[in-house]
Amino acid sequence: AQSVTQPDIHITVSEGASLELRCNYSYGATPYLFWYVQSPGQGLQLLLKYFSGDTLVQGIKGFEAEFKRSQSSFNLRKPSVHWSDAAEYFCAVGAVGFQKLVFGTGTRLLVSP
Amino acid sequence: NAGVTQTPKFQVLKTGQSMTLQCAQDMNHEYMSWYRQDPGMGLRLIHYSVGAGITDQGEVPNGYNVSRSTTEDFPLRLLSAAPSQTSVYFCASSSPGQGDTEAFFGQGTRLTVV
Repeated sequence: AQSVTQPDIHITVSEGASLELRCNYSYGATPYLFWYVQSPGQGLQLLLKYFSGDTLVQGIKGFEAEFKRSQSSFNLRKPSVHWSDAAEYFCAVGAVGFQKLVFGTGTRLLVSP
Repeated sequence: NAGVTQTPKFQVLKTGQSMTLQCAQDMNHEYMSWYRQDPGMGLRLIHYSVGAGITDQGEVPNGYNVSRSTTEDFPLRLLSAAPSQTSVYFCASSSPGQGDTEAFFGQGTRLTVV
């Protein structure tokens, strides 16, 4: 079965500290992987995506993610968190076409002063 | 270029009422999808379409109908609303044939069924 696991429901990080959000997936075909961010009451914004090639991908707002096939993981990282990064983050996986994305349950990031 | 437009943005329904959530895209995308978002559950696929006249069920299709008569529009129908359908609904479109490498999402419709 296709699935995405985000094991952390909530994470609190001090402003300026580094961040890593975990994502593990189970997918039968070649996975296309995505990270989205959602601010309260807002829609989804794509942070970054991975299809093939370099396993470290750069995204917007200073985020990056590393694809590790052996661990079926696609963890999101940021070296220094800003208060404006407080939001909910979703990892998703799909096949080419992207009409049937499978989402994780999300991780809510809280940023403390 | 408006992208994916969902209407309405907010809606309150009484149990048993029917309504249609509208989704329109102006990017000539073949593929369109509906998701619902519930707290602690992420987004789950309701129905999707790979072209006009072609639809299929996703993970949580019960209580919802769709049709795709044009490339641009993909409405989601609730025939008899239930409180369990209280959720935020997102529509998405994509077109790998155009070289797109992501799905484009609308801003969502927040539906409350009382």
